[in-house]
Amino acid sequence: GENVEQHPSTLSVQEGDSAVIKCTYSDSASNYFPWYKQELGKRPQLIIDIRSNVGEKKDQRIAVTLNKTAKHFSLHITETQPEDSAVYFCAASEYGNKLVFGAGTILRVKS
Amino acid sequence: GAGVSQSPSNKVTEKGKDVELRCDPISGHTALYWYRQSLGQGLEFLIYFQGNSAPDKSGLPSDRFSAERTGGSVSTLTIQRTQQEDSAVYLCASSQARGNEQFFGPGTRLTVL
Repeated sequence: GENVEQHPSTLSVQEGDSAVIKCTYSDSASNYFPWYKQELGKRPQLIIDIRSNVGEKKDQRIAVTLNKTAKHFSLHITETQPEDSAVYFCAASEYGNKLVFGAGTILRVKS
Repeated sequence: GAGVSQSPSNKVTEKGKDVELRCDPISGHTALYWYRQSLGQGLEFLIYFQGNSAPDKSGLPSDRFSAERTGGSVSTLTIQRTQQEDSAVYLCASSQARGNEQFFGPGTRLTVL
């Protein structure tokens, strides 16, 4: 079955700097890759997603890139702000069925 | 509109007891998912319902776990003879259809003493 690895497990950046979180997946049939943000004690919320027919997608300060050949995808957050501090999860699925999640990255933005 | 809701928000039970967790998906969403999140861990898929199709139960960790979805709406996850390792937050999600964004509920925190 699918296996998703996520790095780093923790990431500290200075406010205004960029943050990059990387994930790799194992199943070449996976074609949907969402990223979720989870604040402490809250539910996960989708922040951006990408499908396998697209190499990059951007939404304001957030972007995701996908390399199907290498089976990896990355989340890029520019101009980080304290409110970006949270746990970020990547996930992969085939046709948007069950999501297989990475272990999560704790992002701390220091002001 | 209302999001995904779950009840109870917290459940404390004794080892060996059965528990039922409830999920109310967003109205009109045909797909419903259950995940489990252990402390400090990622989310682990449990089971998936899509319309009237047979559910995908491939993530259920043991036969003590079962789930049903009545009338294509509300779902109940049942854990029989609970064990301490069942302690986790159980999250439900729904989507308009397979392949669409999954919206998560607030979760039920289960503690097995």
